[in-house]
Amino acid sequence: NAGVTQTPKFQVLKTGQSMTLQCAQDMNHEYMSWYRQDPGMGLRLIHYSVGAGITDQGEVPNGYNVSRSTTEDFPLRLLSAAPSQTSVYFCASSYSTVGELFFGEGSRLTVL
Amino acid sequence: AQSVTQLGSHVSVSEGALVLLRCNYSSSVPPYLFWYVQYPNQGLQLLLKYTTGATLVKGINGFEAEFKKSETSFHLTKPSAHMSDAAEYFCAVNGGYQKVTFGIGTKLQVIP
Repeated sequence: NAGVTQTPKFQVLKTGQSMTLQCAQDMNHEYMSWYRQDPGMGLRLIHYSVGAGITDQGEVPNGYNVSRSTTEDFPLRLLSAAPSQTSVYFCASSYSTVGELFFGEGSRLTVL
Repeated sequence: AQSVTQLGSHVSVSEGALVLLRCNYSSSVPPYLFWYVQYPNQGLQLLLKYTTGATLVKGINGFEAEFKKSETSFHLTKPSAHMSDAAEYFCAVNGGYQKVTFGIGTKLQVIP
């Protein structure tokens, strides 16, 4: 099983550019989420989804969009990148509302 | 609202010594508590979890944690540190519907 797969692993953007971070899971998990990890701040929830067609905001949603058209995929869109969005992004999924999270390997984004 | 406090962003222990990583939480609902480990340039993986039932929880690699409701704590311990335990450890609380709050993380250094 591949588990949770994130692409790309590394990306450099210029301020104002847009891009999409891809996330796919093959475990048939209903719950998926995006986190950003910054030094000294742990992981902060950006957006999450409890199933196809249902998304909601987390702690730090500004500047990011998500959609969930299938159970497997949960892409994260940066509409107009800013230097403050330089971070490591993790996608995670779970089989229940209170189960453990299964993480991808992360996507390191640098915005110049 | 919920929160997680990890005391000590960096902890150093000698190989063979006791590992103790502290975690205190606040939650308005009965919490589901987790410890995750992150090795360099990797995603997080589950060490152990507390949902209901027995308050002493055993995880992988010889780690365990005890849920103490009266102290709102979920400290992580291991009797004897190995070099391979060097990593960053995150405590997390799930108040339901995968709204998970992470602590800022504790980097464990193991000294030979």
